[in-house]
Amino acid sequence: AQSVTQLDSQVPVFEEAPVELRCNYSSSVSVYLFWYVQYPNQGLQLLLKYLSGSTLVKGINGFEAEFNKSQTSFHLRKPSVHISDTAEYFCAVSGLNRDDKIIFGKGTRLHILP
Amino acid sequence: DAGVIQSPRHEVTEMGQEVTLRCKPISGHDYLFWYRQTMMRGLELLIYFNNNVPIDDSGMPEDRFSAKMPNASFSTLKIQPSEPRDSAVYFCASSLGGVGVTDTQYFGPGTRLTVL
Repeated sequence: AQSVTQLDSQVPVFEEAPVELRCNYSSSVSVYLFWYVQYPNQGLQLLLKYLSGSTLVKGINGFEAEFNKSQTSFHLRKPSVHISDTAEYFCAVSGLNRDDKIIFGKGTRLHILP
Repeated sequence: DAGVIQSPRHEVTEMGQEVTLRCKPISGHDYLFWYRQTMMRGLELLIYFNNNVPIDDSGMPEDRFSAKMPNASFSTLKIQPSEPRDSAVYFCASSLGGVGVTDTQYFGPGTRLTVL
């Protein structure tokens, strides 16, 4: 079974500053990794996903994440945040089998300060 | 496409009443998922369907919860009888499912349920 831990429940950051949202996972087998974003009063939408290949994954809205197998991490980064990035961000993990479930973390709320 | 459609968007009911949440997935999607989101437990998968067949309902909290998918364009999640601890936001999501779990899930806007 897999699990995912998002170390920070809330992250405040000034507008135009860089941000890193941390995610660590636990699994005895190879995994797929995902980041989803939830804007206020909306459902989740996919930011990016790691399936295989390059460990640096680029997603929408200028976000990227790096898969680090040795540290079992998949941290999300953006070099310069905007007020529109205010949202909750969910890291998720799944096994490689077709019908494996996606397990979501508890989420990290990103507060952009003016 | 209009995306995943859920109704109602908000539901307030009294303890003991039956609650039915509805979902219309994106046309052509083979997988449909029901999630529950609370502050305490985060986002939990309740059940998912593939081609209208329930595949895994291990996340359904108890017998008071049931879900059906009578056809490819409609699913319901029913709680009977409802309890205050069922208060949460319930999301429906769908995916193409061509390669299984790696397919992007598209979430609806959610139904905010309050049980008094």
